[in-house]
Amino acid sequence: EAQVTQNPRYLITVTGKKLTVTCSQNMNHEYMSWYRQDPGLGLRQIYYSMNVEVTDKGDVPEGYKVSRKEKRNFPLILESPSPNQTSLYFCASSLRVRGSPYEQYFGPGTRLTVT
Amino acid sequence: AQKVTQAQTEISVVEKEDVTLDCVYETRDTTYYLFWYKQPPSGELVFLIRRNSFDEQNEISGRYSWNFQKSTSSFNFTITASQVVDSAVYFCALSEGPGGSYIPTFGRGTSLIVHP
Repeated sequence: EAQVTQNPRYLITVTGKKLTVTCSQNMNHEYMSWYRQDPGLGLRQIYYSMNVEVTDKGDVPEGYKVSRKEKRNFPLILESPSPNQTSLYFCASSLRVRGSPYEQYFGPGTRLTVT
Repeated sequence: AQKVTQAQTEISVVEKEDVTLDCVYETRDTTYYLFWYKQPPSGELVFLIRRNSFDEQNEISGRYSWNFQKSTSSFNFTITASQVVDSAVYFCALSEGPGGSYIPTFGRGTSLIVHP
């Protein structure tokens, strides 16, 4: 079954304690991205990756890091989480054929609370 | 810069009513792609439709239909004979084509509540 998985699904942590949210896809997609969803703001892209070892900033990258060492995995790292990073996070993957974007497949979401 | 506006924050209807969700976009690109996604109360995001800027044909899929009008930069979504299971937040999104930004822009979403 084609899917994007994220772990953990729920996480409560304290300010400053480094954490990683994992994301994996089994569709061999080159394009992967991370979004955060906040009430009234819709989805905003944090980082994206066009391929292995190729990552770039989205609209709201501050306070986040990513890496893409393998095609299927795209972890999101919060080195020093702060309360304003409390949010619902989604990982997504999609095809891009000759630069044309196709629909994104989203993971189930990770609800992060930073106290 | 690209922008997507979903002016309707929340719409409430009674089952079997027709409802239209508006989406207005801005982009300088001539090649772009528009999407609709559904987020039911369970939280996952589900793809509904993709449309490129060169294809203005309207599309119908069961009770769902989409009206793409480049002249008004709109890509509206209509649900005919709404059902309780249609209750969800619906997002419109814009992605630029080759050579454009790789960062998709999402609208803020329209929450549709269908009452029995």
